Amino acid sequence: DAGVIQSPRHEVTEMGQEVTLRCKPISGHDYLFWYRQTMMRGLELLIYFNNNVPIDDSGMPEDRFSAKMPNASFSTLKIQPSEPRDSAVYFCASSFSVVGYTFGSGTRLTVV
Amino acid sequence: AQSVSQHNHHVILSEAASLELGCNYSYGGTVNLFWYVQYPGQHLQLLLKYFSGDPLVKGIKGFEAEFIKSKFSFNLRKPSVQWSDTAEYFCAVKGSQGNLIFGKGTKLSVKP
Repeated sequence: DAGVIQSPRHEVTEMGQEVTLRCKPISGHDYLFWYRQTMMRGLELLIYFNNNVPIDDSGMPEDRFSAKMPNASFSTLKIQPSEPRDSAVYFCASSFSVVGYTFGSGTRLTVV
Repeated sequence: AQSVSQHNHHVILSEAASLELGCNYSYGGTVNLFWYVQYPGQHLQLLLKYFSGDPLVKGIKGFEAEFIKSKFSFNLRKPSVQWSDTAEYFCAVKGSQGNLIFGKGTKLSVKP
């Protein structure tokens, strides 16, 4: 198994631009999580899905952030418009009934 | 609210020293507990987990953790650390809705 695959690995964009982060979970996993990690705030849960349905999006910072999971093998996290304070590493993780997450390698986002 | 507390923000040790990282959780139900490690520039990886049974759990790379129900604790230990153990360590508990609730992490620096 290739593990949780995230793309791109690095993204540099200008303030105001739309950013889309992608995640392919491990096949058969029924949970998918999006996290943001910064030096200041540590690891923050943004949103998570169970069987493609969003369960808790209370961690999404504001309306500029949106996430979708159109099918069991793909999820996106979109920021529109992006701001410098969105600069962080964004991790996707998946699990089967939360027996233990498997994290992707992350997307390092820099908004200038 | 469910929460996880990690007492130490940054621990500095010399090689061969013993390690103990504290973790306390607040959750009244059946607990599933985890320790994750994040090496510099990498994603989180599972070190060990506790679901039930023997409260002393052995993980990878010589790490172990002890679940003490009366103290709501799940401390991570290693008898002799190596320089390669330099990383950030996260304790987590499975929440009631199926997500993992992470502590803020403890940075471990091991001096050669």
